[in-house]
Amino acid sequence: EAQVTQNPRYLITVTGKKLTVTCSQNMNHEYMSWYRQDPGLGLRQIYYSMNVEVTDKGDVPEGYKVSRKEKRNFPLILESPSPNQTSLYFCASSLSDQETQYFGPGTRLLVL
Amino acid sequence: AQSVAQPEDQVNVAEGNPLTVKCTYSVSGNPYLFWYVQYPNRGLQFLLKYITGDNLVKGSYGFEAEFNKSQTSFHLKKPSALVSDSALYFCAVRRYNFNKFYFGSGTKLNVKP
Repeated sequence: EAQVTQNPRYLITVTGKKLTVTCSQNMNHEYMSWYRQDPGLGLRQIYYSMNVEVTDKGDVPEGYKVSRKEKRNFPLILESPSPNQTSLYFCASSLSDQETQYFGPGTRLLVL
Repeated sequence: AQSVAQPEDQVNVAEGNPLTVKCTYSVSGNPYLFWYVQYPNRGLQFLLKYITGDNLVKGSYGFEAEFNKSQTSFHLKKPSALVSDSALYFCAVRRYNFNKFYFGSGTKLNVKP
């Protein structure tokens, strides 16, 4: 089954404790992206990747890092999480940046 | 700056009536426009997109949208609403030759029996 998976689905952590949210897709998609969803703000793009080793900042990249060492994986790294990063995070992938994006199920993060 | 506006936080409609969810955008150059739907505790699902060509785009589940360049709008429509259409709807835009996506704040659609 074609899908985008994210882990973990739920995470509670404390300020400053490094964490990684994994994202994997099995559709051989080139374009991958991370978003955060906050009430009243919709989705905002954090980082995106056009292909392996090619990443770029979205609208709200501060406090986040990404890497794209393999085509299927696009982890999101929070080196020193802060409470303002409490949010619902979605990973998405598409064949190219013109194509439909397929979204993962989301990761709900609470930073205390 | 590129942006998307969904002016209504919530739209209420009776089952069987037509529905419209509004979206306007601000982007330099040619836009690529998308509509996505989100059901509770789920990721976003694609409904339809406009890249080029016919201004009226038909998508999944009987939805359609009309690209209006002069009004910079891309309103989502359906002739006859179903209770199962109740969900959160997002409009998104990407500027031609640029790789960032911009989403609206979302519109909650409530369809009452």
